[in-house]
Amino acid sequence: EVQLVQSGVEVKKPGESLKISCKGSGYSFTSYWIGWVRQMPGKGLEWMGIMHPGNSDIRYSPSFQGQVTISADKSISTAYLQWSGLRASDSAMYYCARAPGRYPFENWGQGTLVTVSS
Amino acid sequence: EVVLTQSPGTLSLSPGERATLSCRASQSVNSNYLAWYQQKPGQTPRLLIYAASSRATGIPDRFSGSGSGTDFTLTISRLEPEDFAVYYCQQYGTSPWTFGQGTKVEIK
Repeated sequence: EVQLVQSGVEVKKPGESLKISCKGSGYSFTSYWIGWVRQMPGKGLEWMGIMHPGNSDIRYSPSFQGQVTISADKSISTAYLQWSGLRASDSAMYYCARAPGRYPFENWGQGTLVTVSS
Repeated sequence: EVVLTQSPGTLSLSPGERATLSCRASQSVNSNYLAWYQQKPGQTPRLLIYAASSRATGIPDRFSGSGSGTDFTLTISRLEPEDFAVYYCQQYGTSPWTFGQGTKVEIK
């Protein structure tokens, strides 16, 4: 069974750094794209970026380029989304999701809730 | 980037009725790589349709997708109680992938 298991709830202060994770299992981690999606409270889905762990190809949305970093550790089948200086406006639910080539997100993680508040 | 505009913002219907949701792209969607997702409150999105008209695994046949180029439609032939949710379209033919703003289907 394909599973994407994300790290838990985070409560941080503005300016702090954060790295959240998404561990894949039940499939070949290096054969599928892993993407990240933001959902702010009561709002819609926003595509942040996507990475192919097999060749380290990374694409960012212009809206998030330079604001976050997407990475992965193939050895432990885990993808990451990180911030170097959080802002209150980064408070949201963040989902990871798996995509085969030329196919949309067919599997989703359970989401990581990030709250940034002083 | 490809901007997707969904209409209407909210659709108020009764169980058993037909729902028609629209998704319009600012430019032609490459290879008609257009998907539809359903999201219920407190749940993760679920893939319904990919490549504009193909149902994802396990999706009931009351859900159908159509369209090409810049105009796409999701149709729910007869609404079941569990179908009341928010629906998003997404294009994945051109990076950056983009989502529409969503259509809420609510009980009338």
